[in-house]
Amino acid sequence: AQKITQTQPGMFVQEKEAVTLDCTYDTSDPSYGLFWYKQPSSGEMIFLIYQGSYDQQNATEGRYSLNFQKARKSANLVISASQLGDSAMYFCAMRVNSGGSNYKLTFGKGTLLTVNP
Amino acid sequence: KAGVTQTPRYLIKTRGQQVTLSCSPISGHRSVSWYQQTPGQGLQFLFEYFSETQRNKGNFPGRFSGRQFSNSRSEMNVSTLELGDSALYLCASSQGLAETQYFGPGTRLLVL
Repeated sequence: AQKITQTQPGMFVQEKEAVTLDCTYDTSDPSYGLFWYKQPSSGEMIFLIYQGSYDQQNATEGRYSLNFQKARKSANLVISASQLGDSAMYFCAMRVNSGGSNYKLTFGKGTLLTVNP
Repeated sequence: KAGVTQTPRYLIKTRGQQVTLSCSPISGHRSVSWYQQTPGQGLQFLFEYFSETQRNKGNFPGRFSGRQFSNSRSEMNVSTLELGDSALYLCASSQGLAETQYFGPGTRLLVL
């Protein structure tokens, strides 16, 4: 079974500073994908970034980067130059790619990020 | 391209009633998945559809059902509503089964 652990229920960061949100995962499958989603108070889940298990380089998307450490089974999200609009719940998720029959996302419990002016 | 749309956005029902939620995927996306989000249980997988076929179902009772139409639009139905069914129901679409899922705004269901 797959499991995602986000140990930080809440995080605070000053505007314009960088912040790291932690995510560890557990799976025995060699092929998997790791995702980060942002959920503002409105409820919509917004896709941020993706990292495949075989990708050699860490993924980056604008101000978002994913610090992928395969041996430690961690996939931390780094947000650079935080903005007030970054205040939201952030979810780490995993999808196992092998097996061929189940591509559901398994989510962590989320981290509530608050950006202070 | 328009994003994933879900209707209705808000719904209030009473125990014992049934409800149907609708999801229209991003144009060209053939896979639709449904998730339930509650404060206690977090995000839980409900169903996954691809080309009108249910590919997988999560650990939910038979009161939860769904379907996908030929235009990839999907509906989910919950019969005999219980108080514990109050949740945010999120629909996600992807081009294929192993592609990135993009979510809609969700339907907030309140069961009284």
